[in-house]
Amino acid sequence: SQQGEEDPQALSIQEGENATMNCSYKTSINNLQWYRQNSGRGLVHLILIRSNEREKHSGRLRVTLDTSKKSSSLLITASRAADTASYFCAPRVTGGGNKLTFGTGTQLKVEL
Amino acid sequence: DTEVTQTPKHLVMGMTNKKSLKCEQHMGHRAMYWYKQKAKKPPELMFVYSYEKLSINESVPSRFSPECPNSSLLNLHLHALQPEDSALYLCASSQVGGSPAGELFFGEGSRLTVL
Repeated sequence: SQQGEEDPQALSIQEGENATMNCSYKTSINNLQWYRQNSGRGLVHLILIRSNEREKHSGRLRVTLDTSKKSSSLLITASRAADTASYFCAPRVTGGGNKLTFGTGTQLKVEL
Repeated sequence: DTEVTQTPKHLVMGMTNKKSLKCEQHMGHRAMYWYKQKAKKPPELMFVYSYEKLSINESVPSRFSPECPNSSLLNLHLHALQPEDSALYLCASSQVGGSPAGELFFGEGSRLTVL
């Protein structure tokens, strides 16, 4: 069963603009992870934020987590055409062991 | 070595065939996963192995049979599949628990077409 729901479903921006995608989840989590998937390829882990963290940065990525609202956001700054991909959040549910399910995903298109 | 290798990359099979998908990792990970992904949908968890034992089966039909012969290998045996089983099958591995808490490493997937 899916634990995360993302919005928007699709996002189209110009190169150089920022892209923000949001994830809402249902239950208590240990951490929340974000992954990227280029068309028809495997997923690549981007960043992990723990439940006791509020914000985390990695290069052009900024992730926030609000456990009171059960939501997270991923910001990609100064986007590039190579950022075109699908982005999925994956809340790691407390007590879920090794189970990791993915949100509905945001399809990002960055145009030149 | 941070690779998860899946073979074959593409597979076409009839509904009466028996085939297998293979996955290999050499990162010392003791958790391995199978996901199924249909076009424009998120990956759906099928199975999780932890220390070579099946720990999660997400009510997957018995025509899909997983096997973990050792800590580096994961197989998915396919038999009597239906056309709706056509999808991208993704293998992943991770540490078991601990810190960092289970980032998944994915293979590039096996694209399955059932005729």
